[in-house]
Amino acid sequence: EPEVTQTPSHQVTQMGQEVILRCVPISNHLYFYWYRQILGQKVEFLVSFYNNEISEKSEIFDDQFSVERPDGSNFTLKIRSTKLEDSAMYFCASSEAGGGGNTGELFFGEGSRLTVL
Amino acid sequence: AQSVTQPDIHITVSEGASLELRCNYSYGATPYLFWYVQSPGQGLQLLLKYFSGDTLVQGIKGFEAEFKRSQSSFNLRKPSVHWSDAAEYFCAVGAPGIISGTYKYIFGTGTRLKVLA
Repeated sequence: EPEVTQTPSHQVTQMGQEVILRCVPISNHLYFYWYRQILGQKVEFLVSFYNNEISEKSEIFDDQFSVERPDGSNFTLKIRSTKLEDSAMYFCASSEAGGGGNTGELFFGEGSRLTVL
Repeated sequence: AQSVTQPDIHITVSEGASLELRCNYSYGATPYLFWYVQSPGQGLQLLLKYFSGDTLVQGIKGFEAEFKRSQSSFNLRKPSVHWSDAAEYFCAVGAPGIISGTYKYIFGTGTRLKVLA
């Protein structure tokens, strides 16, 4: 069964360093997302991405964050200068093109745990 | 704005007992509804989903949920809990995003289930 894959599964970084989290969405999906879950808290929407541009972002997604689809398969989340409060699990998700009864379903990856020291 | 409330932060049940986890949502139209389970440090596993049709939805691991529009609820149930069901459970509502074709999930704060042997 197709799945969303994320790398790395866990990354430890120093405060102020740049981090890139990578995701390979399901191949025929056109819509891509990042969500974040701070330890012990709920999962929060960060950003959605379609047609090579951000379609929606939350207030969490400030100028330190950026997303990119550098090629036909990868979807990345970059945090330019990490802060302690960026420590969280980051989930990538994708969804298929419009049409059909299940187009509201997001398929989540296993997550990338980021620890900022 | 859409919101999801899971009123129970912690629930403890004995193995073999029945379980009901509550979820209430706020959304203007018929929402897409989901239940996810998360073991510590792990990703999100989809238990079941509701898009339309039969309001009683069957999921994996013996779970079911019932959509009640009049109560804006989507409670998760299991007739007999197993020790392996101990985990965090998240209810989510999916709503269309700003851009047609995209969707945004709003998650509840989660219910942590403890199972007594």
